[in-house]
Parts: sequence; C-alpha cells; structure tokens
Amino acid sequence: GAGVSQSPSNKVTEKGKDVELRCDPISGHTALYWYRQSLGQGLEFLIYFQGNSAPDKSGLPSDRFSAERTGGSVSTLTIQRTQQEDSAVYLCASSPQGRGEQYFGPGTRLTVT
Amino acid sequence: DQQVKQNSPSLSVQEGRISILNCDYTNSMFDYFLWYKKYPAEGPTFLISISSIKDKNEDGRFTVFLNKSAKHLSLHIVPSQPGDSAVYFCAATGGNNRLAFGKGNQVVVIP
Repeated sequence: GAGVSQSPSNKVTEKGKDVELRCDPISGHTALYWYRQSLGQGLEFLIYFQGNSAPDKSGLPSDRFSAERTGGSVSTLTIQRTQQEDSAVYLCASSPQGRGEQYFGPGTRLTVT
Repeated sequence: DQQVKQNSPSLSVQEGRISILNCDYTNSMFDYFLWYKKYPAEGPTFLISISSIKDKNEDGRFTVFLNKSAKHLSLHIVPSQPGDSAVYFCAATGGNNRLAFGKGNQVVVIP
C-alpha cells in the first residue's frame, strides 16, 4: 500500500513569505505528526493530531507556525513570515493508533533565502 | 534539553563484523524505545523497538538491549552489510505518544 507522502519535496522561499507544506498519511492511520530536522540535529517534534481530539501543539516553535488536519486525513503545516532559521527538513509521520512505531514520509526540504 | 543522547556521531565497521550503537535517555517516564534508519533524502524507516518491560528484542540481524537502571539502550547489527550504511536514530516515548529523538549516528560499513 501507499506510504506517507509529502509535497513539495523541496521548497525555496524568500524571507518573509508564507509557505504551506502538505502531508498525506497512510490510509486508516488516526495519528499524524509533524517533525523538523535542522542541519546536524535530531528530529524535533512540532505537532500531533490524534483522531478528533484537540492537537498537541506544544512543539510549535512560534505563533508563525500552524497546522491543520482536514477530515482526519490530509494535513497542512503553514509557516507565516518565514525566517532563515526555519530552513530545515520537515517530516510528517502517521501511526495506526498513536502508539508505537510511526511511519515517516520523505520530508520537505525548506530553504529560506 | 536533549532527553535522548547518541554519542560517537559516526561509526565505521568492516562488512561481516558487529555494529554497536548506543543511546542514553534522561526521562524516566519513557516506556517505549525505537530505532530508525535513515538514508539520504528519505524519511526515517522503523527498524526495531522495545518496551520497557523487556530487556532484549531481536529481529533477524538486529537486536536491541535495554538497561532501565542505567537509562541506556543499544542496537547491535550482526553481521553488518554495506546496505546498512545509513544514519541511525534512537527514539523514545512515554505517555504522550510524542517521539523524542537523538541526533543520530552515521554508520559506514566497509566492504
């Protein structure tokens, strides 16, 4: 079956512009996560959706970051007024029930110039 | 505050020998531990996991050992193969389902 997909695979944007990153989780997975990996760092948790529950937004680094998940499936991560420190690989993952292993997409490499 | 730590960022090993990766954690609430493997330009792929009620889990060439009292786990790969060359991430989770990751170890298997 299809895995987690993300688009775009690469995004170059100018400082101050808004960007939207998309994630299509594995069908039937109720939990969806966003992480980012900056150069030389491990993966940093951003936000977690589980079913119809309120999302866990505790990892979002600033109010410029927001995410939504429509219909319990596709998710969009939005970064407003991008800054150079936002440059990273943004990874989406899903899991069947929110516990145990998570399945990752290939990521979106964001470069803010 | 790094809750999951992977020291020795890179490891080189001869094909056929054992690769040992180490991971230390600080949060005593963690009760489930995972290892992920990552190739360049791809997302991490799940490798093996262990629950805190166990001290060893084996899957083919991969074995994970957990020492709860030391807050330490390790991944053994034996025998190492050239296709094992990748970055390996240790991850841990407690009751909130979020994964805390280490910074990763680069493994190079020399043919």
